[in-house]
Amino acid sequence: QVQLQESGPGLVKPSQTLSLTCTVSGGPISSGGFYWSWIRQFPGKGLEWIGYIYNSGNTYYNPSLKTRVLISADTSKNQFSLRLNYVTAADTAVYYCARRPGEEDWFDPWGQGTLVTVSS
Amino acid sequence: QSVLTQPPSVSGAPGQRVTISCTGSSSNIGAGYAVLWYQQLPGRAPKLLIYGDSNRPSGVPDRFSGSRSGTSASLAITGLQAEDEADYYCQSYDTTYVFGTGTKVTVL
Repeated sequence: QVQLQESGPGLVKPSQTLSLTCTVSGGPISSGGFYWSWIRQFPGKGLEWIGYIYNSGNTYYNPSLKTRVLISADTSKNQFSLRLNYVTAADTAVYYCARRPGEEDWFDPWGQGTLVTVSS
Repeated sequence: QSVLTQPPSVSGAPGQRVTISCTGSSSNIGAGYAVLWYQQLPGRAPKLLIYGDSNRPSGVPDRFSGSRSGTSASLAITGLQAEDEADYYCQSYDTTYVFGTGTKVTVL
């Protein structure tokens, strides 16, 4: 059974870079057929898809975040990561990593989520 | 800003049937993209509840059912139970993956 776990700083200063890592257990991220994703949930409960990485290096991002986002993978550690540049208070959210089956449109399973607050 | 609109809240007594609507447009649900539903228990991550408009993953009780018509979709919970008290979100695809505004289900 695949499980995902987010990790990273819970507090980031405005204009700096948010960096999170998702550690996957129960199966290699290098196996084909899955899209490894980042999704965030704002304090008001709204959900926003950020982007995903697949085939260990191909990426696809939400157009609204594309200029600030980088998703990468480290197959030796079975991890994938999120970097979001030039953060503002509007980026304060719970960040989730999740898996999308290649032929489908849903996300499952999800990690437990990690709260990132942007504040000076 | 969510492009899929849900009612903020619905409520029902144990055993009753409740429905949650998810209203989209011709560029997402109306374009034929699949509708998914997630359940988010308090303090937990969202969990897939319905995929492909009306299919239940293994382990999801059959009292949860999904349907779609035109530019909208619905989630029905029959035989409401206390453990169903949660937030529910629909999801589809537009120019990107899009989620609904979320509905809090309260069991009276």
